[in-house]
Amino acid sequence: QLHLQESGPGLVKPSETLSLTCTVSGGSIINITNFWAWVRQPPGEGLEWIGSVYYSGTTYYSSSLKSRVTISVDMSKNQFSLNLRSVTAADTALYYCAVYCSAGDCNPPNVFDTWGQGTMVTVSS
Amino acid sequence: EVVMTQSPATLSLSPGERATLSCRASESVTISQLSWYQQRPGQAPRLLIYGAFSRATGIPVRFSGSASGTDFTLSISSLQPEDSAVYYCQQDHRYSWTFGQGTKVEIK
Repeated sequence: QLHLQESGPGLVKPSETLSLTCTVSGGSIINITNFWAWVRQPPGEGLEWIGSVYYSGTTYYSSSLKSRVTISVDMSKNQFSLNLRSVTAADTALYYCAVYCSAGDCNPPNVFDTWGQGTMVTVSS
Repeated sequence: EVVMTQSPATLSLSPGERATLSCRASESVTISQLSWYQQRPGQAPRLLIYGAFSRATGIPVRFSGSASGTDFTLSISSLQPEDSAVYYCQQDHRYSWTFGQGTKVEIK
């Protein structure tokens, strides 16, 4: 059973870089069926997919955030990370890491089946 | 990027009533990659339905999913107080994941 845990600063200044890490336990991040994702939720609003990374390092980003986002994977630490540059107050949100299992032998397939508890990040001076 | 549009924004119903939540995709979506999630206040999203039709493990039978073209529906046959939550549809199309904006279900 996978367990995901987000970590990072809860307060970031405007124009700076938001950096979060997701630590994966209960299984290896080196898994050919999994995409490791970041999803955020501004206060009182809905879910927004930020981007996903495959264990090989291949990344996929939301078109609206692509210019400011970098997601990377550290196989040695069983972690993946999010960097969001040039933040503003609009980036204030609860940030979740999640795993998307995308293969026919996943049970169930093509779903975000494990989520972290989320970490709140506030952008403010 | 596929846009998922959910309606209504809020649904207010009494216990025992049937809830029908809609989700429309801006273009064709692979049915096997359409899911529904429930999010209760203060909790992470929970998988309800995958592949548009299949209930996830432990999900009560009162939850069901259907599809017609680019229109997807989540139905709750007989609302219970614990079904008060926000419900999201989600799809994956060519390695681009998107969520609908959510439908809030309130129990009167």
